[in-house]
Amino acid sequence: SQQGEEDPQALSIQEGENATMNCSYKTSINNLQWYRQNSGRGLVHLILIRSNEREKHSGRLRVTLDTSKKSSSLLITASRAADTASYFCATGSNFGNEKLTFGTGTRLTIIP
Amino acid sequence: GAVVSQHPSRVICKSGTSVKIECRSLDFQATTMFWYRQFPKKSLMLMATSNEGSKATYEQGVEKDKFLINHASLTLSTLTVTSAHPEDSSFYICSARGQGAMSYNSPLHFGNGTRLTVT
Repeated sequence: SQQGEEDPQALSIQEGENATMNCSYKTSINNLQWYRQNSGRGLVHLILIRSNEREKHSGRLRVTLDTSKKSSSLLITASRAADTASYFCATGSNFGNEKLTFGTGTRLTIIP
Repeated sequence: GAVVSQHPSRVICKSGTSVKIECRSLDFQATTMFWYRQFPKKSLMLMATSNEGSKATYEQGVEKDKFLINHASLTLSTLTVTSAHPEDSSFYICSARGQGAMSYNSPLHFGNGTRLTVT
């Protein structure tokens, strides 16, 4: 079963606006990662936040993590048409397990 | 760096035939590779974890005799879909972690996927 659930499932915004996507998960984690997938392609790693971190920035990306609520958010500021893609959160644990479990994804469309 | 090459990108085969998909780490050694399956507009479903030199670990519900995985070297893992059926049509994606990376705190590097269509 999927660990993460992204919200919303789909999001359309005008270019230049900010896009916020949320991810909720169910079990204890060691880290949470966000990936991007262009249509028909593989996934590209965006950012990793560890369980002892609350916020992390990378360029136009800002990720927050609230372990008490088991949730994370990904904010993309000043969106561009090229940001159109699906975004997935993935959780990793260190309980003898290397696997990443992916959420259901948010399809983001940036309208030029 | 950290490039993963997956081949072929698209393949069409007839029912009953077998198809092999290759996943190569081009500029790093991957002790562990993961094979995922993705249905349209859905998330990635982990099929199996492939470790170099040992048998793959399959997820519950994945038939190991149907989806044969071989990880013979630190840069190559293959997935063979045997006796393919139309319901095996899907998007298959491999990913890899670098050698020595703290597994659970490091990102995965993905191939570009293989679109399999079984007619």
